[in-house]
Amino acid sequence: DIQLTQSPSFLSASVGDRVTITCRASQGISSYLAWYQQNPGKAPKLLIYSASTLQSGVPSRFSGSGSGTEFTLTISSLQPEDFATYYCQQVQTYPLTFGPGTKVDIK
Amino acid sequence: QVQLVESGGGVVQPGRSLRLSCAASGFSLSFYGMHWVRQAPGKSLEWVAISSYDGTYKDYAESVKGRFTISRDNSDNMLYLQMSSLRVEDTAVYYCAKDVGIASTGCDSWGQGTLVTVSS
Repeated sequence: DIQLTQSPSFLSASVGDRVTITCRASQGISSYLAWYQQNPGKAPKLLIYSASTLQSGVPSRFSGSGSGTEFTLTISSLQPEDFATYYCQQVQTYPLTFGPGTKVDIK
Repeated sequence: QVQLVESGGGVVQPGRSLRLSCAASGFSLSFYGMHWVRQAPGKSLEWVAISSYDGTYKDYAESVKGRFTISRDNSDNMLYLQMSSLRVEDTAVYYCAKDVGIASTGCDSWGQGTLVTVSS
């Protein structure tokens, strides 16, 4: 199975901050990576797919980059509604796998 | 608009069976791969199973292989997950989720989830 790690696990930031989350895959997955945002008690929401394609309706302050084994999700200017947990998911090989998550909290 | 509504969760004893349903509306199931994803309390997301758009391809997480069966009825726009030989570690919120397209590139629509609790 392809393992995904995320760093950091926890991030404390302020409104307006630029935030970067990294996802690393245990083997190359080309650009077959998606990013999700999840708020407590809610279903995940797709932000980015194919590593860098912004899902329709997602604000442009979210961006994704990377290929192979290293990927990043960047929030250019953190907004109050962005405090949540973020997950990466590889979609190249079954079984599909998720990263352990990065919780973004208010400083 | 696209909507997914799961049902069928509840409390069940270890070793018993349960069937989850996912009612899709606002789109035709016939054109999309569909997944079940679960999340144990306080844990990360875990992919469980996929059914291809036409139901001919199915795959499962190793943790549920041989115990869970995914199926669909495209004419009724329904997705199912038959779970048998349930274990305590299967306790989780179960989500059905729709692929962005025919191929798996990410899930752009999710249900609200249904809680399955396996306990004696």
